[in-house]
Amino acid sequence: ETGVTQTPRHLVMGMTNKKSLKCEQHLGHNAMYWYKQSAKKPLELMFVYSLEERVENNSVPSRFSPECPNSSHLFLHLHTLQPEDSALYLCASSQVVSNEGVEQFFGPGTRLTVL
Amino acid sequence: SQKIEQNSEALNIQEGKTATLTCNYTNYSPAYLQWYRQDPGRGPVFLLLIRENEKEKRKERLKVTFDTTLKQSLFHITASQPADSATYLCALDGDSGYALNFGKGTSLLVTP
Repeated sequence: ETGVTQTPRHLVMGMTNKKSLKCEQHLGHNAMYWYKQSAKKPLELMFVYSLEERVENNSVPSRFSPECPNSSHLFLHLHTLQPEDSALYLCASSQVVSNEGVEQFFGPGTRLTVL
Repeated sequence: SQKIEQNSEALNIQEGKTATLTCNYTNYSPAYLQWYRQDPGRGPVFLLLIRENEKEKRKERLKVTFDTTLKQSLFHITASQPADSATYLCALDGDSGYALNFGKGTSLLVTP
């Protein structure tokens, strides 16, 4: 596998279900990100992890719970979601050096539908 | 509050012409600006990064300009091809050194 992979690619869940999204990066990067992309809205940053520590959390509801067990893996645990949480969830990684701007590498995304 | 605006309408151009996409921002002093391409159902793909002290950057048929006085970046695709049809996203650095803030994107359609 190369780049950034995400599983599953598609997920349909009920509001009472618990599920997890998985992201893995094979690029040796030191930062990983979760974004939410809804129709006609810009990508919204949800969480940022650098060296496995959460460094940003943009007022995301507690029904979304991230986990970063190591620098290559990132999870998003989902619990008691609402229909408005249906969106494309994108994972990204980058190699951050001294706060310089660097490109982010995105995975293909998980298309989530909450019924 | 910080705001990033891209062409609100989709851009339709004929093959071979130059496509020009606009990214305007307010209440920002970005250190750099990035452009990404996104195809339907896929994640964005990085194209170009330009820093605040750079006026212009080129990569093959792509050219980006960055005017910090006008608070604007222009993204040009010369000799456009139908394969260039996609949504193009502008992104600016966030408050930390990590995150990016994205615009909504501009949909480009290149017709033969």
